[in-house]
Amino acid sequence: AQSVTQPDIHITVSEGASLELRCNYSYGATPYLFWYVQSPGQGLQLLLKYFSGDTLVQGIKGFEAEFKRSQSSFNLRKPSVHWSDAAEYFCAVGPPLTGNTPLVFGKGTRLSVIA
Amino acid sequence: KAGVTQTPRYLIKTRGQQVTLSCSPISGHRSVSWYQQTPGQGLQFLFEYFSETQRNKGNFPGRFSGRQFSNSRSEMNVSTLELGDSALYLCASSLSLRETQYFGPGTRLLVL
Repeated sequence: AQSVTQPDIHITVSEGASLELRCNYSYGATPYLFWYVQSPGQGLQLLLKYFSGDTLVQGIKGFEAEFKRSQSSFNLRKPSVHWSDAAEYFCAVGPPLTGNTPLVFGKGTRLSVIA
Repeated sequence: KAGVTQTPRYLIKTRGQQVTLSCSPISGHRSVSWYQQTPGQGLQFLFEYFSETQRNKGNFPGRFSGRQFSNSRSEMNVSTLELGDSALYLCASSLSLRETQYFGPGTRLLVL
C-alpha cells in the first residue's frame, strides 16, 4: 500500500536560517508528489508539485523540493525562513494518470520559527 | 477565479444528530474529494467524486456518505454523529481525476 513518512513531527528554526523538511514515500511506481502548507484553522495551500521531468521543482514562497528516486524522497527546502513560514507542512503522493488511488498524506511537520 | 468554498465553516452538533456539509469547487473543476483531519489520525481520505459518480471511497463507516451534483458542487453527510467525528472536514477540487487538488478552508465540526 502507498504510504508517506514525514519523520519530523516538529521542527524549530531561527528566522533567516535554512530549512529542510523530509518526506519519504512508498509507492509501486513513480508517483505524483506534492507539498502543501496549512496555517492554523485554514485549509491546505499547494506549495509545489512534481509530475515528471526536472527533479528539482520550484514552488511558491521561495520553496523548492528535490525528487530522488533512488531514496524515494521528496524533501522540501527553503534557503532563508521567514516568521510567516510557521505552519504545518504536508507531503502527499498520488498515482500517475493511469492510477486510480487517492492522494495519501503524511502526518505533517509543524514548523516553528524563532527570532 | 474564486477558490474552493465550504459551508458552513463551523458547526456544533450533539451525538446522534446528522450533519450535511457543502463544497463548491473552483469553476471548471469536475472532481471533488473530501478528507477528514484530526490531530490523532491526520488527513484521511473520505471519498472522491467525478461527474456525479463516486470514484473512490476511503475506509470510513457507512454513516459517512456524499454526493455530487451536475454543477460539480458536492455535499457530504454524516449520520448518527459520534464524538469521534469531531474534526476539520476538507474539500478539494481538481480539473479532473489525478489532477492537482486545491483545498477549501474546511468545515470544523464539533460533536458534543
